[in-house]
Amino acid sequence: DIVLTQSPALAVSLGQRATISCRASESVRSSMHWYQQKSGQQPKLLIYGASNLASGVPARFSGSGSGTDFTFTIDPVEADDIATYYCQQSRNDPPTFGSGTKLEIK
Amino acid sequence: EIQLQESGPGLVKPSQSLSLTCSVTGYTITSGYDWSWIRKFPGNKMEWMGYISYSGSTNYNPSLKSRISITRDTSKNQFFLQLNSVTTEDTATYYCARGYYDGYYHSYYFDYWGQGVMVTVSS
Repeated sequence: DIVLTQSPALAVSLGQRATISCRASESVRSSMHWYQQKSGQQPKLLIYGASNLASGVPARFSGSGSGTDFTFTIDPVEADDIATYYCQQSRNDPPTFGSGTKLEIK
Repeated sequence: EIQLQESGPGLVKPSQSLSLTCSVTGYTITSGYDWSWIRKFPGNKMEWMGYISYSGSTNYNPSLKSRISITRDTSKNQFFLQLNSVTTEDTATYYCARGYYDGYYHSYYFDYWGQGVMVTVSS
């Protein structure tokens, strides 16, 4: 299975940029997707195909990367963005998820 | 609006079977897409367990292949998870989700999720 590695946590000030990384154990081309999960809620799709914004998602969220290294950015960060963010690959079966990065406000 | 809702017992004894139901509203599960079960363990690790497609075919995570079964009741627009011989390591929050294959971007992702149901395996 493809292993996705994320940093456990990130602390950012309101109004600043948050950058979350996801590294794949082998190339997934552009088959990388990002989810937001707030406490007590289900995951919500934010980005698909590495850089495409899901329907209804604000343009403050963006994604980039290909191959093995991917970046998810929130700019500017708002208080409502406190959540855990997961990457997920679909290049190989089974689809796998990263361990999540918890976004905290400084 | 598409909505998914999981239901089932919150406590299962070791060695028994875990059975969950996902009820879908706003979309007919035989019309398209895959219908998946995904779980999140304490500590945040997430695992895709398997799906049943709109046509009724199934695909399971090889790590679970000997213990898992996903079925459906099209008359009720529901699909089901059965996981056999559970251990404490199966304690997790279980989600049902719609899987979408985007041919243009060669991508497969989950665009609608249920709220999740926490299942504890304990004697």
